[in-house]
Amino acid sequence: GAGVSQSPSNKVTEKGKDVELRCDPISGHTALYWYRQSLGQGLEFLIYFQGNSAPDKSGLPSDRFSAERTGGSVSTLTIQRTQQEDSAVYLCASSLTSGGVHEQYFGPGTRLTVT
Amino acid sequence: QQQVKQSPQSLIVQKGGISIINCAYENTAFDYFPWYQQFPGKGPALLIAIRPDVSEKKEGRFTISFNKSAKQFSLHIMDSQPGDSATYFCAAGIYNQGGKLIFGQGTELSVKP
Repeated sequence: GAGVSQSPSNKVTEKGKDVELRCDPISGHTALYWYRQSLGQGLEFLIYFQGNSAPDKSGLPSDRFSAERTGGSVSTLTIQRTQQEDSAVYLCASSLTSGGVHEQYFGPGTRLTVT
Repeated sequence: QQQVKQSPQSLIVQKGGISIINCAYENTAFDYFPWYQQFPGKGPALLIAIRPDVSEKKEGRFTISFNKSAKQFSLHIMDSQPGDSATYFCAAGIYNQGGKLIFGQGTELSVKP
């Protein structure tokens, strides 16, 4: 079946502009995660959605970052007033959850460059 | 307390050799420790995972060793192959708190033929 898809694959934007990154999780996966991967760094947790529960936003670095998940499926990560330090690969993952931790399946990421 | 420290940052191994990557954590609430493998231009993929009820888990050429008292765990790749060349990430999570994972900084492995 289809894996996690993300769009766009690459995004170049000017400092100060807003950007939206999209994630389509695997069908039937109830949990969805956003991570950020800066050059040469590990994955930094941003936000986690689980079903209809309130999302865990503890990893969002500033109030310029927000995310929503519509209908329990597609998610959009929005970065307002982008800064150069926002340049990174943004990875989305999804997993089945019925108690406990399950394997996270990652998409290929969106490479964001802020000029 | 939420950090996971991974070493080395990069590793070069000859074909057929053993690759060893180490991770250490501080938060004693962590009870789920996966390793992910990432090829260039791709998202990470789960390789193997362990929970603290066992000290070792083996899947093919990949073995996780876990030392609960030292709060350390490691990945061993036996008979390393050029196709294993990738970036490896350790991670830690709390099993009954859903899927939020804290990742290490990554190790870039290069296996020379």
